[in-house]
Amino acid sequence: DAGVIQSPRHEVTEMGQEVTLRCKPISGHNSLFWYRQTMMRGLELLIYFNNNVPIDDSGMPEDRFSAKMPNASFSTLKIQPSEPRDSAVYFCASRDSFYYEQYFGPGTRLTVT
Amino acid sequence: DAKTTQPTSMDCAEGRAANLPCNHSTISGNEYVYWYRQIHSQGPQYIIHGLKNNETNEMASLIITEDRKSSTLILPHATLRDTAVYYCIVRVAGGETSYDKVIFGPGTSLSVIP
Repeated sequence: DAGVIQSPRHEVTEMGQEVTLRCKPISGHNSLFWYRQTMMRGLELLIYFNNNVPIDDSGMPEDRFSAKMPNASFSTLKIQPSEPRDSAVYFCASRDSFYYEQYFGPGTRLTVT
Repeated sequence: DAKTTQPTSMDCAEGRAANLPCNHSTISGNEYVYWYRQIHSQGPQYIIHGLKNNETNEMASLIITEDRKSSTLILPHATLRDTAVYYCIVRVAGGETSYDKVIFGPGTSLSVIP
């Protein structure tokens, strides 16, 4: 398996623009997680899905952030409008319900100018 | 989930064993101890987990004290590639989706020195 796939790997955008980050979980995994990592706040859980249903989105910073999982093999995290403080590395992770450990993707480094 | 405390940073000589401690004094009886690591610019990587017995796999060993209030991750022969941030996490491992919320603390930054 190719592991968790994220795209793009790097994104540079201007403040106010819409940003969409994409994730393909490992085939057969039924839980998906979005994290954000910054030097100041470390690794924060934003939202997680189980069987394509959002279970906990309490970590989503504000209404500018939204996440969807239309099917078991794809998820998006959207920021609209983006702000400089959204600059961070965004990780997607997935797991199988039987084994419980999470497998992380390589991350998307977002820079908002 | 119970809170964990880890040293901010540690050094280890290449080829020697790296022993990374973690304190989880408020751990509950049904909570497991998990270890992940994050090499610079990569996503976190699962290492090992355990409940109360010591565990070993191809990457590391996990030693959990009898009272389960602390644990130690052991990298038996540290290499330069083991330089990373190591996270100790405690969480319930069950079928309930509400237990999936994993909280990563600041971790321990391990530097393996040639």
